Amino acid sequence: QKEVEQDPGPLSVPEGAIVSLNCTYSNSAFQYFMWYRQYSRKGPELLMYTYSSGNKEDGRFTAQVDKSSKYISLFIRDSQPSDSATYLCAMNGGSQGNLIFGKGTKLSVKP
Amino acid sequence: GAGVSQTPSNKVTEKGKYVELRCDPISGHTALYWYRQSLGQGPEFLIYFQGTGAADDSGLPNDRFFAVRPEGSVSTLKIQRTERGDSAVYLCASSHMNRGLNGELFFGEGSRLTVL
Repeated sequence: QKEVEQDPGPLSVPEGAIVSLNCTYSNSAFQYFMWYRQYSRKGPELLMYTYSSGNKEDGRFTAQVDKSSKYISLFIRDSQPSDSATYLCAMNGGSQGNLIFGKGTKLSVKP
Repeated sequence: GAGVSQTPSNKVTEKGKYVELRCDPISGHTALYWYRQSLGQGPEFLIYFQGTGAADDSGLPNDRFFAVRPEGSVSTLKIQRTERGDSAVYLCASSHMNRGLNGELFFGEGSRLTVL
């Protein structure tokens, strides 16, 4: 079993839909949880990070962490075609910069 | 430029050859990271520099891979005796000190290496 599991999709939704992306993990030492967005042939860019359990909201994006279930989610409200990208979850157990990434979920938002 | 710069953007080489990939981080960022991303996978950690020293090289797959950052700015990833399995996108990222804990890394666009 990999440390971080993420459904690769692809996921296709109509414009305006609510998108739910998620990851599961096995290492209870993870404390920092991140979501990155990666456009085709570009480097990943950080969307949000959360420390420990709880919710965090930033505009149309909401990140949730449930440490008891080892499950994290990213919700995108009112999805736009410009949200079409691969979304990567990542986690850190306390080592500076040694992030463990999921495989990424490829999202397509159709106009 | 304002972002992390990586050169070359594309490199095609033959099996057994030596390759160097260069990373120019964001000015003022003391921490620098190398990751490798294979097709259909997430990035995989290779090495982390704080200043000139490698603080964590636990991700380097074997002794064919080596990285340096002699003046605490530009870094070079060196791969000896390349193998077809080394084909991937090599991503460089930088951050302010200690911001790597919460993932505040700024990635470059990567160097796409193809080993024939």
